[in-house]
Amino acid sequence: DARVTQTPRHKVTEMGQEVTMRCQPILGHNTVFWYRQTMMQGLELLAYFRNRAPLDDSGMPKDRFSAEMPDATLATLKIQPSEPRDSAVYFCASRQGANQPQHFGDGTRLSIL
Amino acid sequence: GQSLEQPSEVTAVEGAIVQINCTYQTSGFYGLSWYQQHDGGAPTFLSYNGLDGLEETGRFSSFLSRSDSYGYLLLQELQMKDSASYFCAVRDQDNAGNMLTFGGGTRLMVKP
Repeated sequence: DARVTQTPRHKVTEMGQEVTMRCQPILGHNTVFWYRQTMMQGLELLAYFRNRAPLDDSGMPKDRFSAEMPDATLATLKIQPSEPRDSAVYFCASRQGANQPQHFGDGTRLSIL
Repeated sequence: GQSLEQPSEVTAVEGAIVQINCTYQTSGFYGLSWYQQHDGGAPTFLSYNGLDGLEETGRFSSFLSRSDSYGYLLLQELQMKDSASYFCAVRDQDNAGNMLTFGGGTRLMVKP
């Protein structure tokens, strides 16, 4: 059964440190999304790519967050420097086409101390 | 912009039927999706309605009325494993329907 794979599953680090989260989308899926989930804000879209090109990152704090897709099998989300308010679960999702459902990874549970 | 409203919590007993409503306001509309998320887990796709009417998948059904900007998820023969959060999400004309905007989620608690 094809899955979206995210690493690491858990990350605890001190504020000011760089955090890199990785996502391997399902093979053949051309659209990749990054979401952040918190109790207060719910599930928020941070950025998404189609065919590796960034299409929208308006949900992402630009000063510290960056998202890239160096190749079709890898998407990355970086936070530098990290802050306690970045603590959340970060999900990656991929999709085969516009009318297809999004498939989510298991998420990265990030805690910034 | 978009906004979606759904109840924050619903409680029901095993074997019962429960309906989770979702109303939305969007600048355009392509369709309404439903996702399930167990505690500590990932959202998983349940159903999609692009047109008015009822879509049925096993014990779960989803309904859409575009004229009323309203949809619901119907869960029948509830089981304990159905305890989870359920999110409605809209595809709207922003970004040509490529993105989903999620509601705040409805936490369903199924009791014995």
